[in-house]
Formats: sequence, structure tokens, C-alpha cells
Amino acid sequence: QVQLQESGPGLVKPSETLSLTCTVSGDSISSSYWSWIRQSPGKGLEWIGNFYSIGGTPHNPSLESRVTISVDTSKNQFSLKLRSVTAADTAIYYCVRLSQGRRSLLFDRWGQGTLVIVSS
Amino acid sequence: DIQMTQSPSSLSASVGDRVTITCQASQDITNYLNWYQQKPGRAPKLLISEASNLETGVPSRFSGSGSGTDFTFTISNLQPEDIATYFCQQYHHLFTFGPGTIVDIK
Repeated sequence: QVQLQESGPGLVKPSETLSLTCTVSGDSISSSYWSWIRQSPGKGLEWIGNFYSIGGTPHNPSLESRVTISVDTSKNQFSLKLRSVTAADTAIYYCVRLSQGRRSLLFDRWGQGTLVIVSS
Repeated sequence: DIQMTQSPSSLSASVGDRVTITCQASQDITNYLNWYQQKPGRAPKLLISEASNLETGVPSRFSGSGSGTDFTFTISNLQPEDIATYFCQQYHHLFTFGPGTIVDIK
């Protein structure tokens, strides 16, 4: 059974970098696609970006160039870095598996989510 | 950017009722649309893919239809365990979620 678990600080200061890691079990990081999605009361569910095992890390244009998604295949983990955070980045952050069908792309396995608060 | 809207934003219905939620895309997304259910304190769960394909294990009282810009999600026989927020999500260009519809029991 595929499981994802987010980890990282729950409190980040404004202007600093938010860093989260997702540990995956039951699937190989190298053979699937992976995503970060966040949820805040004000903006609902917001896709942040993806890591494609075949290459490429597209991200939400609204986040400009603040996002970096990377993978550590030796640990079967993928990570999110969001730079220059503000209070607007306060949200529950989910790591998610993105499965590809013949004509479909599905967020089919989700971590439990981790709350990150941006505050001094 | 493709924007998604949903209506209603919330509804209250009785057990056994038929419940319908609509989702509209700001441009043609063919059938590149998924539906998710989110219960309080939990992560979203995929229910329907490609507008109308029920995921394995999802009760048959859930269904979806539509293409282009207009989509419908239906619960045919509302059960107490269906209390949740339901989201549509497009993947025609990048990924965008609708704002959600809260479903409650009268």
C-alpha cells in the first residue's frame, strides 16, 4: 500500500525558506510522478508543482520562481523548498502521488498533510 | 490560467436525497476533470477521473458527467458518511481545483 508522509518545521519566519520532505513507501520515487499541493482557508486547494521521473518540475506560475522540488532516490523522498515566504503561504501542505493513465492525470495518493504557519 | 467554479458553495439535504453539484471551467477542458471528496481533518480522496470514471472501491451512488466546460457530480442516494466537501479539478493545462461544495445532512 502506497503511503506518503510529510515532515518539516511547522513554523517559518517571513522572508525565510519553507522546507518540507515527503517520505514515500510502497512505491518507487523513480517510477512515478510526485506533487505538492497546499490548502488554505483563503485560497482553497492550490497546486504547487510536480516532479516528473522522466524529467521536469513544472510549478504554479502564481508562485513565480520561489519553488524548488527535488528528489532523493536513495531515501525514496521528494522535497519542497518555497523561498521568501509571507503570511499568505500559511497552509496545510500535502505531498501527493500523481498517477498517469492513458488520458488521465490523477492525484491518487495523498499524505496526511502538515500545517505550516508563517509568522515572526 | 484555467479557472474552475462550483455551485452551490454549500448544500443541505436529507438522507436518501439526490444531490447534484456543478463545476464549470473557464475554457474547454474536454473531459480532463477529476472529482475529490474531503472529510474534515483528512486529505482529499479521488472519487472520479476523466469526468465520469468511478475509481475502484467508490460506491456506485457517486457519478459524474459532462465535457467541454460544464460538468456535473451526483450523489444518487445521500448517506450520512457522504458529509464532506467535494472539489472538481482540471488537468487540461497544469492543475486547478474548484473552490469546493460543502455537503451536509439536514
